[in-house]
Amino acid sequence: DQQVKQNSPSLSVQEGRISILNCDYTNSMFDYFLWYKKYPAEGPTFLISISSIKDKNEDGRFTVFLNKSAKHLSLHIVPSQPGDSAVYFCAAISGNQFYFGTGTSLTVIP
Amino acid sequence: EAGVTQFPSHSVIEKGQTVTLRCDPISGHDNLYWYRRVMGKEIKFLLHFVKESKQDESGMPNNRFLAERTGGTYSTLKVQPAELEDSGVYFCASSQSGGYYGYTFGSGTRLTVV
Repeated sequence: DQQVKQNSPSLSVQEGRISILNCDYTNSMFDYFLWYKKYPAEGPTFLISISSIKDKNEDGRFTVFLNKSAKHLSLHIVPSQPGDSAVYFCAAISGNQFYFGTGTSLTVIP
Repeated sequence: EAGVTQFPSHSVIEKGQTVTLRCDPISGHDNLYWYRRVMGKEIKFLLHFVKESKQDESGMPNNRFLAERTGGTYSTLKVQPAELEDSGVYFCASSQSGGYYGYTFGSGTRLTVV
Protein backbone atom coordinates (compact mmCIF):
# COMPACT_ATOMS: atom_id res chain seq x y z
CA ASP A 1 0.00 0.00 0.00
CA GLN A 2 1.86 3.03 -1.29
CA GLN A 3 1.31 6.11 0.84
CA VAL A 4 3.44 8.49 -1.22
CA LYS A 5 2.97 8.62 -4.97
CA GLN A 6 4.84 10.27 -7.79
CA ASN A 7 2.76 9.67 -10.88
CA SER A 8 5.23 11.05 -13.41
CA PRO A 9 8.16 8.69 -13.90
CA SER A 10 10.01 11.20 -16.07
CA LEU A 11 10.12 14.87 -16.99
CA SER A 12 12.14 16.79 -19.59
CA VAL A 13 12.65 20.53 -19.36
CA GLN A 14 14.69 23.06 -21.29
CA GLU A 15 17.57 24.71 -19.47
CA GLY A 16 16.47 27.98 -17.88
CA ARG A 17 12.82 26.96 -17.66
CA ILE A 18 10.90 25.88 -14.59
CA SER A 19 10.77 22.22 -13.53
CA ILE A 20 7.73 21.17 -11.52
CA LEU A 21 7.75 17.78 -9.84
CA ASN A 22 4.61 16.54 -8.17
CA CYS A 23 3.86 14.22 -5.29
CA ASP A 24 0.64 13.01 -3.66
CA TYR A 25 0.19 11.31 -0.34
CA THR A 26 -2.60 9.51 1.46
CA ASN A 27 -1.68 9.61 5.16
CA SER A 28 -2.84 12.79 6.90
CA MET A 29 -0.57 11.94 9.88
CA PHE A 30 2.62 12.79 7.99
CA ASP A 31 4.26 15.73 9.71
CA TYR A 32 7.28 16.38 7.52
CA PHE A 33 7.88 16.14 3.81
CA LEU A 34 11.18 16.07 2.01
CA TRP A 35 12.62 15.94 -1.45
CA TYR A 36 15.71 13.89 -2.18
CA LYS A 37 17.85 13.97 -5.28
CA LYS A 38 19.65 10.89 -6.56
CA TYR A 39 22.39 10.57 -9.15
CA PRO A 40 23.20 7.16 -10.66
CA ALA A 41 25.26 4.89 -8.38
CA GLU A 42 24.83 7.27 -5.46
CA GLY A 43 22.49 7.33 -2.50
CA PRO A 44 19.67 9.86 -2.21
CA THR A 45 20.80 13.24 -0.91
CA PHE A 46 18.59 15.66 0.96
CA LEU A 47 17.41 18.63 -1.05
CA ILE A 48 14.66 20.51 0.77
CA SER A 49 11.97 19.88 3.35
CA ILE A 50 8.72 21.36 4.58
CA SER A 51 6.84 20.98 7.82
CA SER A 52 3.16 20.13 7.66
CA ILE A 53 2.36 23.45 9.35
CA LYS A 54 3.75 25.44 6.42
CA ASP A 55 2.65 25.75 2.83
CA LYS A 56 5.88 26.93 1.24
CA ASN A 57 9.60 26.66 1.79
CA GLU A 58 12.21 28.22 -0.44
CA ASP A 59 15.92 27.57 -0.75
CA GLY A 60 17.66 29.26 -3.63
CA ARG A 61 16.37 27.85 -6.90
CA PHE A 62 14.26 25.24 -5.09
CA THR A 63 10.80 25.82 -3.65
CA VAL A 64 8.52 23.22 -2.15
CA PHE A 65 4.77 23.86 -1.93
CA LEU A 66 2.43 21.91 0.32
CA ASN A 67 -1.33 21.73 -0.13
CA LYS A 68 -2.58 19.79 2.86
CA SER A 69 -6.23 19.81 1.86
CA ALA A 70 -5.31 18.17 -1.44
CA LYS A 71 -2.58 16.02 0.13
CA HIS A 72 -0.25 17.26 -2.56
CA LEU A 73 3.20 18.72 -2.67
CA SER A 74 5.35 19.96 -5.47
CA LEU A 75 8.96 20.90 -6.03
CA HIS A 76 9.73 23.85 -8.27
CA ILE A 77 13.20 24.35 -9.69
CA VAL A 78 13.81 27.65 -11.42
CA PRO A 79 15.82 28.21 -13.45
CA SER A 80 16.53 24.57 -14.29
CA GLN A 81 20.16 23.67 -15.01
CA PRO A 82 21.67 20.60 -16.71
CA GLY A 83 23.24 19.59 -13.38
CA ASP A 84 19.73 19.22 -11.97
CA SER A 85 19.24 16.13 -14.13
CA ALA A 86 18.68 13.31 -11.63
CA VAL A 87 15.95 11.21 -10.05
CA TYR A 88 13.92 13.12 -7.48
CA PHE A 89 12.20 11.29 -4.66
CA CYS A 90 9.41 12.72 -2.59
CA ALA A 91 9.36 11.44 0.99
CA ALA A 92 7.16 11.82 4.04
CA ILE A 93 7.90 11.10 7.66
CA SER A 94 5.72 9.46 10.25
CA GLY A 95 7.61 8.78 13.47
CA ASN A 96 11.11 7.67 12.49
CA GLN A 97 10.05 6.04 9.29
CA PHE A 98 10.41 7.52 5.84
CA TYR A 99 7.92 6.75 3.11
CA PHE A 100 9.21 7.37 -0.38
CA GLY A 101 7.59 7.82 -3.75
CA THR A 102 8.77 5.94 -6.82
CA GLY A 103 10.82 8.86 -8.09
CA THR A 104 10.69 11.18 -11.08
CA SER A 105 13.61 11.25 -13.47
CA LEU A 106 14.29 14.85 -14.48
CA THR A 107 16.27 15.63 -17.60
CA VAL A 108 17.27 19.24 -18.19
CA ILE A 109 18.11 19.76 -21.83
CA PRO A 110 20.89 22.28 -22.54
CA GLU B 1 33.83 13.20 7.92
CA ALA B 2 33.26 9.88 6.17
CA GLY B 3 29.74 9.28 4.96
CA VAL B 4 27.65 6.14 5.20
CA THR B 5 29.59 3.34 3.55
CA GLN B 6 28.04 0.28 2.02
CA PHE B 7 29.68 -2.74 0.47
CA PRO B 8 29.74 -4.46 -1.78
CA SER B 9 28.47 -1.92 -4.29
CA HIS B 10 27.25 -4.73 -6.52
CA SER B 11 26.52 -8.38 -5.92
CA VAL B 12 25.32 -11.02 -8.35
CA ILE B 13 24.33 -14.33 -6.83
CA GLU B 14 22.35 -17.37 -7.82
CA LYS B 15 18.94 -18.13 -6.44
CA GLY B 16 19.30 -20.13 -3.24
CA GLN B 17 22.65 -18.67 -2.27
CA THR B 18 23.38 -16.45 0.70
CA VAL B 19 24.49 -12.83 0.53
CA THR B 20 25.55 -10.48 3.30
CA LEU B 21 25.43 -6.74 2.85
CA ARG B 22 27.31 -4.42 5.14
CA CYS B 23 26.70 -0.85 6.22
CA ASP B 24 29.07 1.38 8.16
CA PRO B 25 27.16 4.40 9.46
CA ILE B 26 28.62 7.80 10.15
CA SER B 27 30.63 7.61 13.35
CA GLY B 28 28.52 8.56 16.35
CA HIS B 29 25.19 7.96 14.63
CA ASP B 30 23.11 5.75 16.90
CA ASN B 31 20.29 5.37 14.38
CA LEU B 32 20.77 3.07 11.43
CA TYR B 33 18.16 2.23 8.81
CA TRP B 34 17.90 -0.22 5.96
CA TYR B 35 15.81 0.50 2.87
CA ARG B 36 15.29 -1.32 -0.39
CA ARG B 37 14.31 -0.19 -3.87
CA VAL B 38 13.02 -2.87 -6.18
CA MET B 39 13.36 -1.96 -9.87
CA GLY B 40 11.33 1.15 -10.70
CA LYS B 41 9.41 1.13 -7.44
CA GLU B 42 9.57 3.23 -4.32
CA ILE B 43 12.34 3.11 -1.75
CA LYS B 44 10.84 1.03 1.03
CA PHE B 45 11.73 0.93 4.71
CA LEU B 46 13.04 -2.37 6.03
CA LEU B 47 14.17 -1.74 9.58
CA HIS B 48 15.59 0.68 12.10
CA PHE B 49 18.31 0.14 14.72
CA VAL B 50 18.99 2.35 17.70
CA LYS B 51 22.49 1.36 18.69
CA GLU B 52 22.40 -2.46 18.68
CA SER B 53 18.65 -2.77 19.29
CA LYS B 54 16.03 -3.24 16.61
CA GLN B 55 13.62 -0.35 17.09
CA ASP B 56 11.32 -1.21 14.21
CA GLU B 57 11.57 -4.14 11.83
CA SER B 58 8.08 -3.88 10.38
CA GLY B 59 9.38 -3.56 6.83
CA MET B 60 11.36 -6.79 6.72
CA PRO B 61 9.77 -8.86 3.93
CA ASN B 62 10.13 -12.32 5.47
CA ASN B 63 12.34 -14.49 7.65
CA ARG B 64 14.90 -14.97 4.89
CA PHE B 65 16.19 -11.53 5.85
CA LEU B 66 18.29 -11.13 8.98
CA ALA B 67 19.76 -7.83 10.13
CA GLU B 68 22.29 -7.42 12.89
CA ARG B 69 24.17 -4.58 14.46
CA THR B 70 26.46 -6.11 17.02
CA GLY B 71 28.14 -3.53 19.22
CA GLY B 72 26.03 -0.77 17.78
CA THR B 73 28.51 0.10 15.05
CA TYR B 74 28.26 -1.42 11.58
CA SER B 75 25.27 -3.44 10.48
CA THR B 76 24.85 -6.46 8.25
CA LEU B 77 21.83 -7.58 6.29
CA LYS B 78 21.87 -11.23 5.32
CA VAL B 79 19.56 -12.78 2.77
CA GLN B 80 19.38 -16.56 3.01
CA PRO B 81 18.36 -18.19 0.74
CA ALA B 82 18.09 -15.46 -1.87
CA GLU B 83 15.14 -15.44 -4.27
CA LEU B 84 14.73 -13.67 -7.61
CA GLU B 85 12.38 -11.06 -6.13
CA ASP B 86 15.07 -9.97 -3.68
CA SER B 87 16.88 -8.20 -6.51
CA GLY B 88 17.08 -4.47 -6.03
CA VAL B 89 19.17 -1.73 -4.48
CA TYR B 90 19.60 -1.87 -0.73
CA PHE B 91 20.25 1.48 0.92
CA CYS B 92 21.49 2.11 4.40
CA ALA B 93 21.03 5.43 6.18
CA SER B 94 22.12 6.77 9.53
CA SER B 95 21.26 9.70 11.73
CA GLN B 96 22.28 10.97 15.11
CA SER B 97 19.00 12.10 16.55
CA GLY B 98 16.48 9.89 14.78
CA GLY B 99 14.81 12.77 12.99
CA TYR B 100 15.22 13.76 9.38
CA TYR B 101 17.98 16.28 10.11
CA GLY B 102 21.35 14.79 9.29
CA TYR B 103 19.75 11.65 7.88
CA THR B 104 22.38 10.45 5.42
CA PHE B 105 22.10 7.67 2.89
CA GLY B 106 24.83 5.40 1.62
CA SER B 107 25.28 4.82 -2.08
CA GLY B 108 23.55 1.45 -1.89
CA THR B 109 24.28 -2.16 -2.78
CA ARG B 110 22.81 -3.38 -6.04
CA LEU B 111 21.82 -7.01 -5.56
CA THR B 112 20.98 -9.16 -8.54
CA VAL B 113 19.68 -12.66 -7.98
CA VAL B 114 19.79 -14.86 -11.09
